[in-house]
Amino acid sequence: QQPVQSPQAVILREGEDAVINCSSSKALYSVHWYRQKHGEAPVFLMILLKGGEQKGHDKISASFNEKKQQSSLYLTASQLSYSGTYFCGTANYGGSQGNLIFGKGTKLSVKP
Amino acid sequence: DAGVIQSPRHEVTEMGQEVTLRCKPISGHDYLFWYRQTMMRGLELLIYFNNNVPIDDSGMPEDRFSAKMPNASFSTLKIQPSEPRDSAVYFCASSSLKAGGPYEQYFGPGTRLTVT
Repeated sequence: QQPVQSPQAVILREGEDAVINCSSSKALYSVHWYRQKHGEAPVFLMILLKGGEQKGHDKISASFNEKKQQSSLYLTASQLSYSGTYFCGTANYGGSQGNLIFGKGTKLSVKP
Repeated sequence: DAGVIQSPRHEVTEMGQEVTLRCKPISGHDYLFWYRQTMMRGLELLIYFNNNVPIDDSGMPEDRFSAKMPNASFSTLKIQPSEPRDSAVYFCASSSLKAGGPYEQYFGPGTRLTVT
């Protein structure tokens, strides 16, 4: 039931774009995205709810395709500060405040 | 706000010893989560509380693990006896209910546990 993230790792040059995918084998109610820098705690980026909405946060945005049971995180014009490991967490039903299952993460490295 | 506070930040202990990890959630938050992070398994939910009551402990690996939340501002995760395979980073996170759906979790800095 753990969501599958792809790719596992990606290396970018500053200014390049990247897409991180998160897929589930079960119907999704919500998808949560977090970023974790090395040696630090995960930090919340955004939540997407069932309904296919797209959200944005600076140059980081995400979409949620309920039919395909997947979400994608888009990083545009990447900056050095974007480096870290990105996790998606999925919830399978509404009101599911605790049953959040995280993927194994995608390690993003942005080089100058 | 100081954020979620965890102690100790690092713990090194010998196999068989009891280990107690502590967490102070953000004031006003009514959900508290304990996670374990390893390279092999990633970030795993161990247990979570709502209003100090354990809601789901299905992620607790075995009887050696126990968690309590005696009040809204304190929680402990205890491992007794500890084993080398318990070595991991343990995170505590808290959140508050918002009308309309799920919400963000705020993670503490974590406790890096090494069992030798």
